[in-house]
Amino acid sequence: GEDVEQSLFLSVREGDSSVINCTYTDSSSTYLYWYKQEPGAGLQLLTYIFSNMDMKQDQRLTVLLNKKDKHLSLRIADTQTGDSAIYFCALKGGYQKVTFGTGTKLQVIP
Amino acid sequence: DVKVTQSSRYLVKRTGEKVFLECVQDMDHENMFWYRQDPGLGLRLIYFSYDVKMKEKGDIPEGYSVSREKKERFSLILESASTNQTSMYLCASSFRRSDSSYEQYFGPGTRLTVT
Repeated sequence: GEDVEQSLFLSVREGDSSVINCTYTDSSSTYLYWYKQEPGAGLQLLTYIFSNMDMKQDQRLTVLLNKKDKHLSLRIADTQTGDSAIYFCALKGGYQKVTFGTGTKLQVIP
Repeated sequence: DVKVTQSSRYLVKRTGEKVFLECVQDMDHENMFWYRQDPGLGLRLIYFSYDVKMKEKGDIPEGYSVSREKKERFSLILESASTNQTSMYLCASSFRRSDSSYEQYFGPGTRLTVT
């Protein structure tokens, strides 16, 4: 099956940029997603990118996709304390199945 | 406002008990999912359903079963709970957007402890 890996933890200072990385094994994924999970809550979709795109920008969020290296990243500009959460990358493969990464816990230091 | 609700936020059960986790969505979505979330392992798919009475195994279906008798409700059943099923269980539903992407909407989760 699909393997989707993320580093477990990232710590940044408020106002800096955060970059969360994701690597995967299956190159047939059509859509790649970033979800955010705040403490005590379910996941919420932040943004997504088609597999035929290299980059997508949405306000403070920038998604970069390197299909050759099977690498997806999420950059958060001007990181705020409210951005503290767990971030999951997710890949849509066949049918409606979505495979989630291991999650990266982002800690923002004031 | 879209909503996925789960019957309990916290649940404590004994080993060997039969456990029912209920999930209801009010968005008329065809697809519904059950995941478990464990630290360092992310979300792992247990079962999903793409229509009433239809179900598909996910990556870790052993020890679980599901039921979908109505479109809005998807139940996860632990036939005989074991301590290794202690986890956070997340339900989700999804629909197909006009651009053919899918967005999953998640419930708040049920933290199950099996003693």
